[in-house]
Amino acid sequence: AQSVTQLGSHVSVSEGALVLLRCNYSSSVPPYLFWYVQYPNQGLQLLLKYTSAATLVKGINGFEAEFKKSETSFHLTKPSAHMSDAAEYFCAVSSNAGNMLTFGGGTRLMVKP
Amino acid sequence: DGGITQSPKYLFRKEGQNVTLSCEQNLNHDAMYWYRQDPGQGLRLIYYSQIVNDFQKGDIAEGYSVSREKKESFPLTVTSAQKNPTAFYLCASSIRPLNQPQHFGDGTRLSIL
Repeated sequence: AQSVTQLGSHVSVSEGALVLLRCNYSSSVPPYLFWYVQYPNQGLQLLLKYTSAATLVKGINGFEAEFKKSETSFHLTKPSAHMSDAAEYFCAVSSNAGNMLTFGGGTRLMVKP
Repeated sequence: DGGITQSPKYLFRKEGQNVTLSCEQNLNHDAMYWYRQDPGQGLRLIYYSQIVNDFQKGDIAEGYSVSREKKESFPLTVTSAQKNPTAFYLCASSIRPLNQPQHFGDGTRLSIL
């Protein structure tokens, strides 16, 4: 069984501030982990993925995430928020056992000028 | 460019009518998926298909039907049995196995008149 929890359905930051979006997972086998971004009235776009290689994963648009097995976490960060980062972000988990992706409930990021 | 095309972007349905949402992909992916997204909620899996002429129910299949006659196409029919069909519908595809990242279309927004 696998599941993913995103802490905070809404996060607000000022432009230029650090972005931190939290994701904790549960998986009985080694996980694969993903972050997606969704802009209004659009589909989801893959930001980055972890599939058991380097624990620090760099993605598009300056985002990165670190896999921490001891904390069962895969938090998404960006050093400096930009207005264009305002969107909804989804964390997802699958596994090396072939399980389909399970998505978290999403976090809406708001960026204040 | 390869991708997933969902049509139409907006769709209106009268009470008691069936309506079909189109999803076409030219990524040569074997697996295809349909999700429903409601405001402030995550993605809920309706149906998925791993290969032509085969598909499986997801978490909320009641009131929906699908077909997979061609690798490129995975249409979703919202039947009159679906009591609350107003939602944003997302189609996705991936290579197999199912633990691989999914690629999404831009969605169809269905509303009841």
